[in-house]
Amino acid sequence: QKEVEQNSGPLSVPEGAIASLNCTYSDRGSQSFFWYRQYSGKSPELIMFIYSNGDKEDGRFTAQLNKASQYVSLLIRDSQPSDSATYLCAVNSPAGNKLTFGGGTRVLVKP
Amino acid sequence: DTGVSQDPRHKITKRGQNVTFRCDPISEHNRLYWYRQTLGQGPEFLTYFQNEAQLEKSRLLSDRFSAERPKGSFSTLEIQRTEQGDSAMYLCASTSDGGADTQYFGPGTRLTVL
Repeated sequence: QKEVEQNSGPLSVPEGAIASLNCTYSDRGSQSFFWYRQYSGKSPELIMFIYSNGDKEDGRFTAQLNKASQYVSLLIRDSQPSDSATYLCAVNSPAGNKLTFGGGTRVLVKP
Repeated sequence: DTGVSQDPRHKITKRGQNVTFRCDPISEHNRLYWYRQTLGQGPEFLTYFQNEAQLEKSRLLSDRFSAERPKGSFSTLEIQRTEQGDSAMYLCASTSDGGADTQYFGPGTRLTVL
């Protein structure tokens, strides 16, 4: 079992719709969770981080965390073609000294 | 620009040659990380510095790899006797103690070993 798992996609979403991305992790000691966006050929760009169970909203993005289920999700509302990218879920080690990434979910927003 | 910078952005080398990459973190960040990313995969952790001390190394970091951060500012990653399997994007990230553990990535160095 991989430490951080994501569906590789592609997740095809019509423009204006909600994109829902999921991520599961194996280390129950993990305390901080991150979503990065990565365009082809570019480096990861931080979108959001979340530490507490529940929802955290930032603009069109909402991160959801459920530590009991070891599950993190990202919702993208009003999806735009510019949101087309690979979204990486990352989990910090309990010691906080490294991120473990999932393989990423590729999102395609179609006009 | 006060973000993380990396140099060079691209490097093409022949198998067996040595290469060195440089990372300059965000100025107030004392933690620095190196990751490697191959096509279609998420970044994989290589090593971590807190100030000038290298505190953790991944098993991915074979004897051919060495990293330094001599004055706790910029860092270098050297690969000796490169192999075709070393072809990847090498990413540097930084963050600060007591912060949100949020790592900010540089633009990466893309290495191609022929």
